[in-house]
Amino acid sequence: KAGVTQTPRYLIKTRGQQVTLSCSPISGHRSVSWYQQTPGQGLQFLFEYFSETQRNKGNFPGRFSGRQFSNSRSEMNVSTLELGDSALYLCASSFSLTGYETQYFGPGTRLLVL
Amino acid sequence: DQQVKQNSPSLSVQEGRISILNCDYTNSMFDYFLWYKKYPAEGPTFLISISSIKDKNEDGRFTVFLNKSAKHLSLHIVPSQPGDSAVYFCAAKDDYKLSFGAGTTVTVRA
Repeated sequence: KAGVTQTPRYLIKTRGQQVTLSCSPISGHRSVSWYQQTPGQGLQFLFEYFSETQRNKGNFPGRFSGRQFSNSRSEMNVSTLELGDSALYLCASSFSLTGYETQYFGPGTRLLVL
Repeated sequence: DQQVKQNSPSLSVQEGRISILNCDYTNSMFDYFLWYKKYPAEGPTFLISISSIKDKNEDGRFTVFLNKSAKHLSLHIVPSQPGDSAVYFCAAKDDYKLSFGAGTTVTVRA
């Protein structure tokens, strides 16, 4: 079974631009979560989607948004990029993220904002 | 507000000895705890987990202990191997999300 895939793997943008990252979950998984990892920090939760509905959201500004499609693929968008948005963005999937379910991570998208 | 804390940023251990990683949490609603291992430029890889109804779970060289009264969990790796050198994250689940600690960098010396 293929794992979680994320595209693109690397991205360079300039301040003020916007960016869209894509995530394809493991086949059969309907829950997709997004995390941001910056140097020296743990993974900070951005949001979680299940069946195209956002069920939970972390403490990030409204510039960060996401969506999920009917095939469970998900995208996240960051508008008006700031230097501090440079980070590794990780996507994770699970069947439904209920009970004792594990999340499985993709390789991440490394975003550099200049 | 950091609900999951890993207070040791780094750990150095000799090959063949035991590695003990610690994690503390504050939210009593957490019902599932996980450990992930991460290499540079890769996503975290699931290692082992424990539900809140258990106090120990073992998988090969890896054992996780949960002390609910102390809101503390630990990961034991025995024996440590060079391939175990990585960053280890503790995570706790509630309300459709995982909360992560800041990670502990483990270095296994030959």
